[in-house]
Amino acid sequence: NAGVMQNPRHLVRRRGQEARLRCSPMKGHSHVYWYRQLPEEGLKFMVYLQKENIIDESGMPKERFSAEFPKEGPSILRIQQVVRGDSAAYFCASSPYTGLDTEAFFGQGTRLTVV
Amino acid sequence: AQTVTQSQPEMSVQEAETVTLSCTYDTSESDYYLFWYKQPPSRQMILVIRQEAYKQQNATENRFSVNFQKAAKSFSLKISDSQLGDAAMYFCAYARGSNYKLTFGKGTLLTVNP
Repeated sequence: NAGVMQNPRHLVRRRGQEARLRCSPMKGHSHVYWYRQLPEEGLKFMVYLQKENIIDESGMPKERFSAEFPKEGPSILRIQQVVRGDSAAYFCASSPYTGLDTEAFFGQGTRLTVV
Repeated sequence: AQTVTQSQPEMSVQEAETVTLSCTYDTSESDYYLFWYKQPPSRQMILVIRQEAYKQQNATENRFSVNFQKAAKSFSLKISDSQLGDAAMYFCAYARGSNYKLTFGKGTLLTVNP
């Protein structure tokens, strides 16, 4: 059973371009979460999705950021018109359900660098 | 809002020795979970240990154990018989109600010296 797969591992974008980060959850997991890790900070929750639904986007910036988890295919975190402050590591996690008695498994992250 | 504080940006330990990483948190809730995650250079976040707040017994996983002081809102991680592979960034985290909205501290970078 493969773990949570994120790609690309590294992404470089120029200011104003779009960044698309992909996350394939573990097999059998229908809950996906995105976190952002700024330099020398802990991870901060961004958004929680189930198939075709956004459940909680309370940590997502209101502009330029969007996320989806279609019926088929990976979850996508999309950042439009990137700025230098978007440079960070973006982590995806998945779990079969959201109870605290179950572990959310993390991917290895995508490091976004905006130049 | 809940906050998690790790006051030690860096720690070091000799191989085979014991080290304790500190974590304090702030919450008005009585039922919650606390976690320690390890982030090695590969960047993968790996769950080390978790503690349910309503359980008085401290959690233990092999060489890793916690000292959970609920009244003091303290949750330290003890690593016994440290190994070179323990070198990593360690994050303390808090969650209540569900496993997806974790609140993380800023982390402690642990170096293990041979």
